[in-house]
Amino acid sequence: SAVISQKPSRDICQRGTSLTIQCQVDSQVTMMFWYRQQPGQSLTLIATANQGSEATYESGFVIDKFPISRPNLTFSTLTVSNMSPEDSSIYLCSAGLAENNEQFFGPGTRLTVL
Amino acid sequence: LAKTTQPISMDSYEGQEVNITCSHNNIATNDYITWYQQFPSQGPRFIIQGYKTKVTNEVASLFIPADRKSSTLSLPRVSLSDTAVYYCLVAPNQNQGGKLIFGQGTELSVKP
Repeated sequence: SAVISQKPSRDICQRGTSLTIQCQVDSQVTMMFWYRQQPGQSLTLIATANQGSEATYESGFVIDKFPISRPNLTFSTLTVSNMSPEDSSIYLCSAGLAENNEQFFGPGTRLTVL
Repeated sequence: LAKTTQPISMDSYEGQEVNITCSHNNIATNDYITWYQQFPSQGPRFIIQGYKTKVTNEVASLFIPADRKSSTLSLPRVSLSDTAVYYCLVAPNQNQGGKLIFGQGTELSVKP
């Protein structure tokens, strides 16, 4: 199994600023992903964080808006750039192992943009 | 990735068995069926995964018919703490990509 922590747990930000969310896993994992979840809604996959290379983004998400880093097997960051109130959401990090389909999720970062 | 369809909400009472059915008509040969549980203000948590027939663990059972176009998550004797959103997902194993696409999920409400 894997335990995932995220920082910060929540933040309130001003329009036009950027926030970087950190995701730390307590063991080496193969896959890391970033999701967004609006209140009362399901999770939407933003991108796959690839170690040592550019992230793979899903339709509707671009690197300029959501730059992602993954310098090693246990750490990744997601930046929400030039924020607007529409970016207010919960951002979740997940990680998985190659040998099964189970993913472990972090507790999420609740972002409010004013 | 195969699309899934499941009821938006279900109600139950403590001690009852709850069965949540998910349809996935376009499931591919290399797809697995996985269920996740999400409590408010928490990330989803893996419950169970299967490929065919029946899988049982300490939390739930998963029934998959031969054609694999649907699956049923069975929660025995639910308690109030089982109130959560349950997601059915269909995806290849991690080593074939690993990303999970979440549908709307089923909001289960367990009443005393």
